[in-house]
Amino acid sequence: DAGVIQSPRHEVTEMGQEVTLRCKPISGHDYLFWYRQTMMRGLELLIYFNNNVPIDDSGMPEDRFSAKMPNASFSTLKIQPSEPRDSAVYFCASTRGDGYTFGSGTRLTVV
Amino acid sequence: GEDVEQSLFLSVREGDSSVINCTYTDSSSTYLYWYKQEPGAGLQLLTYIFSNMDMKQDQRLTVLLNKKDKHLSLRIADTQTGDSAIYFCAESTDKLIFGTGTRLQVFP
Repeated sequence: DAGVIQSPRHEVTEMGQEVTLRCKPISGHDYLFWYRQTMMRGLELLIYFNNNVPIDDSGMPEDRFSAKMPNASFSTLKIQPSEPRDSAVYFCASTRGDGYTFGSGTRLTVV
Repeated sequence: GEDVEQSLFLSVREGDSSVINCTYTDSSSTYLYWYKQEPGAGLQLLTYIFSNMDMKQDQRLTVLLNKKDKHLSLRIADTQTGDSAIYFCAESTDKLIFGTGTRLQVFP
């Protein structure tokens, strides 16, 4: 099993540009989570899906953030327009109910 | 609401035992987790305990759960320099909520 796969590993973009982060969960896991990690705020849950349906998006910072899960093997997190304060490491995780497996993360830098 | 708290730093000598503590607020948590994060890396699941258990041992790791006090601890026996990292406690009901993390520093 390749684990949870995220892409890209690093992304540097200019303020105002659209950014799309991608995640492939582990096959058979029916929950998918997006987290953001910063020094100031630690690990924050942004949104999670169950069977491709968004269940709780209360952690999404504002309307600039959106997430989709068109099928069981793919999810995206989009930021449009991006701002410097969005700079963080974004993690995707999946589970089938017990242990949560995390991807390696996407380090986003908005300049 | 859910809240998970940890002390920020722990420093131990190589070969000693480390004990990292965590308190949580949601009594309906089903599982409680310990994750390890090395610099620049992702989150590695170390171990987890079901909420109806008191203790779980896995090689050098021992997890103790006091459900009455909502207190979770991770003991690392014979701590090595390779154990230096940030350790996160997390509770789960329908989602995983993390503590602030404890930075463990192991010195020779």
